[in-house]
This record gives sequence, C-alpha cells and structure tokens, in this order.
Amino acid sequence: GDSVTQMEGPVTLSEEAFLTINCTYTATGYPSLFWYVQYPGEGLQLLLKATKADDKGSNKGFEATYRKETTSFHLEKGSVQVSDSAVYFCALSTGGATNKLIFGTGTLLAVQP
Amino acid sequence: GAGVSQTPSNKVTEKGKYVELRCDPISGHTALYWYRQSLGQGPEFLIYFQGTGAADDSGLPNDRFFAVRPEGSVSTLKIQRTERGDSAVYLCASSFAKNTEAFFGQGTRLTVV
Repeated sequence: GDSVTQMEGPVTLSEEAFLTINCTYTATGYPSLFWYVQYPGEGLQLLLKATKADDKGSNKGFEATYRKETTSFHLEKGSVQVSDSAVYFCALSTGGATNKLIFGTGTLLAVQP
Repeated sequence: GAGVSQTPSNKVTEKGKYVELRCDPISGHTALYWYRQSLGQGPEFLIYFQGTGAADDSGLPNDRFFAVRPEGSVSTLKIQRTERGDSAVYLCASSFAKNTEAFFGQGTRLTVV
C-alpha cells in the first residue's frame, strides 16, 4: 500500500545551520506531496506542497522538490532559526474519492541558539 | 470560529467506558476528516465525511468506533468499550472541498486507564 518514510529524529542543529529532512514515498499513481509542521502546543499546519513531478514547494524559507525518479520529497532550509523548532511530517495524498493524507512518523527538529 | 475546534482537549476514561469526541470544523467546510495519532507515530486516517455522509470509513479500526455528522457541520467520534490501546491523540481536519487544503484542530488526547 501507499506509504511515507521519513528521517528519524530528533535532529538537533545550531541556529543558522543548514537543514535537510529526508522523505521518500511509495504510491501507486501520481500522488501530491506535503510537508506539515506541528509547533509546540499547536495543531498541524501545512508548510508546503507539490502536486506533480519536478514541482518545488516553498514557504517560510523551506523548500522541497518532488522527485519522481527517486520517489523523494526532502525538506531543506538554508539557515534555521530557534523558532523553527517543531515536529515535521511528510505526507502524501493520492486524491481519489477521499483525498486522505498518509503521513510519515514525523521528525523532531530542535534548534539551539 | 477561526479554526477547527476540538473538545475536550484532554479526556481520561476507564477501560470499558464509552467516550465521545467533538469536532467543530471551519464554517462552510464540507469535507471533514478524523485521524488518530499514537505516540511516536504520524496521524492515521480514520474516516472522511463529505457533507453529512461518511464517504470513506475504511480507517476505523473496528466496530467499537463510529462517527456521525448529522447536519454536515459538527462531527462526533464515538468509541464504545474503550481499551487501553485506544489511547492516542484524535485529530480532526476540515477543508472547503475534497481537494483543497485541510486545516487541523489541536486534537483530543484520549487516555484509557
């Protein structure tokens, strides 16, 4: 069945460091891909998305490129801030009758000043 | 309201008891989803409503779980004869239509003792 595998955490970085969180997927058809973020004490929020191969999603300095050939959607940011500390979830949706999301297990990012 | 509201935020119940979890979606959102997030895992799909009808309940783990949305707005997730394995955070999400961005509530943390 469809699934998402993402890098295990926690990931601990110093402020201004470069961030990569790896995400790969298995899906039939052509899924849409998402990164959600959960800040402490808050609900899940959509961070960025890409709906077709080679699309790049971007928001708040974060980027991810939909790579069909490697079935990947890695999240990157050039310079992290303490305020980026959160749990990041990679997810896919194959659309269809439900458009439900299938999530990875989440990666905790801790950014130290 | 401004966002998806879930009540209660925390619920502790004894094994074998019945519980109801409530979700108030964003006004005007026709699509509503329930997910369950166990400790250290990503959210897992439970059920999807389009309007008043449950269009996809394939994620409900067994017949102790049931959900309703009688007027196409508020939804209630009902769990009978709770078991310790039901302990998790139950998330609700709504979207304007099936293929538009889903907005998540902060969840209800259910603990079965």
